[in-house]
Amino acid sequence: DIVMTQSPDSLAVSLGERATINCKSSQSILNSSNKKNSLAWYQQKPGQPPKLLIYWAFTRESGVPDRFSGSGSGTDFTLTISSLQAEDVAVYYCQQYYRTPITFGQGTRLEIK
Amino acid sequence: EVQLVETGGGLIQPGGSLRLSCIASGFSVSTNYMTWVRQAPGQGLEWLSVIFSGGSTYYADSVKGRFTISRDDSKNRVSLQMNSLRGEDTAVYYCARDSGAGIKDWGQGTLVTVSS
Repeated sequence: DIVMTQSPDSLAVSLGERATINCKSSQSILNSSNKKNSLAWYQQKPGQPPKLLIYWAFTRESGVPDRFSGSGSGTDFTLTISSLQAEDVAVYYCQQYYRTPITFGQGTRLEIK
Repeated sequence: EVQLVETGGGLIQPGGSLRLSCIASGFSVSTNYMTWVRQAPGQGLEWLSVIFSGGSTYYADSVKGRFTISRDDSKNRVSLQMNSLRGEDTAVYYCARDSGAGIKDWGQGTLVTVSS
């Protein structure tokens, strides 16, 4: 199975500042057929299901604010929130969909400093 | 509008069985990848199973041989039959539509509690 490891486990950032969450896969998740990395990012707020933010490592889902961006390739990926807003407080998960079993990172809890 | 509604959760004794259902609207389950993901209390997300549009199914090792995913195209419904339930199966179970590039649509989840 592909293991997804996020860092840090929790993060406190001041409003308006940049937040960066890292995700590392135990093997490459580069899809050879389309040359894209099979990596998604989700946001989950308390009592709600996860919400897809980013797929193919950097493609923003429709309706997601442009302060959210994804980057990385191969085995190392990053989710960046350029200017933290109060509504961004949540747990963030990365996920690989390169092969089954699909696997998630353990989650990163983002709070306001 | 896409909607997924899970039913069937509840309290069940260890060793028991439960069947979760997910009614979809706004799209056809037959032409999509339908998946189940669970989240134990205070824990992260765990992918459980997928049924592809062609009917192929895959499972996480943690539920293989105990859980079975199925689809009823006439009712636009996906189900998860869960047998030999254990305490560690206690979780919120989400039904979701996998686009093949991330899970775009999620139900609100149904809570399964395995306890005597």
